[in-house]
Amino acid sequence: NAGVMQNPRHLVRRRGQEARLRCSPMKGHSHVYWYRQLPEEGLKFMVYLQKENIIDESGMPKERFSAEFPKEGPSILRIQQVVRGDSAAYFCASSRSGANNEQFFGPGTRLTVL
Amino acid sequence: GDSVTQMEGPVTLSEEAFLTINCTYTATGYPSLFWYVQYPGEGLQLLLKATKADDKGSNKGFEATYRKETTSFHLEKGSVQVSDSAVYFCALTAGNQFYFGTGTSLTVIP
Repeated sequence: NAGVMQNPRHLVRRRGQEARLRCSPMKGHSHVYWYRQLPEEGLKFMVYLQKENIIDESGMPKERFSAEFPKEGPSILRIQQVVRGDSAAYFCASSRSGANNEQFFGPGTRLTVL
Repeated sequence: GDSVTQMEGPVTLSEEAFLTINCTYTATGYPSLFWYVQYPGEGLQLLLKATKADDKGSNKGFEATYRKETTSFHLEKGSVQVSDSAVYFCALTAGNQFYFGTGTSLTVIP
């Protein structure tokens, strides 16, 4: 049973470009969570999605950031017009049911904005 | 709001030393509590969890007890190994969210 998969593992973008991060949850998991980890900091919750629905996006910046989890295919975290401050590791996690259950994490995507 | 506060690192120990990493929480309801471990270059892995007061989670020699009276979930291990070197995160769930502490880096030297 494959774990949570994220790609790319490393992504380099120049300021003003778009970054698209993909996450495939574990088989049988319909809940996906995105977190951001800044250097020397803990994980910060960004958004919680179920298939085709955003359940909680209270941790996601209102501008430039968006997330989706379509009926088919991976969840996508999209950052438009990236700035240097967006450089971080972005982790995706999935769970079989709601947030009180164990979350399984992917290896993360390390975004570097030049 | 809900939050987790954990002991700041980094922590450096000799092999076979006793480990304690403190974690306290603030929550309005009855959260579940977790310890996750992150090895270099990898994502987080669940180490142990406890879902109600007085529960003890344990795994790979690590233990933590859910103490409602002190709102704590301290991580302990009696004898650490070099392979335990990693960053440890305390976390709680409340509603739809996981709240993570800032992480404690542990280095175990031979």
